[in-house]
Amino acid sequence: AQTVTQSQPEMSVQEAETVTLSCTYDTSESDYYLFWYKQPPSRQMILVIRQEAYKQQNATENRFSVNFQKAAKSFSLKISDSQLGDAAMYFCAYGEYNTDKLIFGTGTRLQVFP
Amino acid sequence: NAGVTQTPKFQVLKTGQSMTLQCAQDMNHEYMSWYRQDPGMGLRLIHYSVGAGITDQGEVPNGYNVSRSTTEDFPLRLLSAAPSQTSVYFCASSYSPSGLRNEQFFGPGTRLTVL
Repeated sequence: AQTVTQSQPEMSVQEAETVTLSCTYDTSESDYYLFWYKQPPSRQMILVIRQEAYKQQNATENRFSVNFQKAAKSFSLKISDSQLGDAAMYFCAYGEYNTDKLIFGTGTRLQVFP
Repeated sequence: NAGVTQTPKFQVLKTGQSMTLQCAQDMNHEYMSWYRQDPGMGLRLIHYSVGAGITDQGEVPNGYNVSRSTTEDFPLRLLSAAPSQTSVYFCASSYSPSGLRNEQFFGPGTRLTVL
């Protein structure tokens, strides 16, 4: 069974600085998806970025980028130029290719200080 | 499009009561799922469906039933509520042939408290 591990329960960053959130996963599949979701206090799940496993190029979305290391089964999220609105819980998730099922990590709470 | 809608937003039950959490989507998605979120545990999959008439168990299915009679609706039934089912419940949908694979859309969640 696939598992997702987020080893940092909490992280903090100063406004305008850069922070990296870690995620590792375990799977025997070769085709899958990886995601980072943001959950603000409103509890709405917001997709931040997605990565297809067959793509070697790391995904980027504006200030958000990932470092995808398939062999190491690592998928970290880098947030550049951090903003106060980035403060939230961040969940890493593994997506099964044929069923769209998601397996989530336990989350990292990010605090952003002015 | 309304996206994924869930009702109710909040619910308080007594132990042993039954209820149904409603989930609907208007995006013609084939896949729908129910997750529960507990403090410190992320979201865990309860049940999922890959199309009308097809459902399967996820990681934590005990105490819950689902059915998928239409593409749009995927209700979650609690048969006899227990305090351990106190949680926030999320419904999600994904996959239409014209869209991106595994692009999950989440509902706003239902906060359930079982006394």
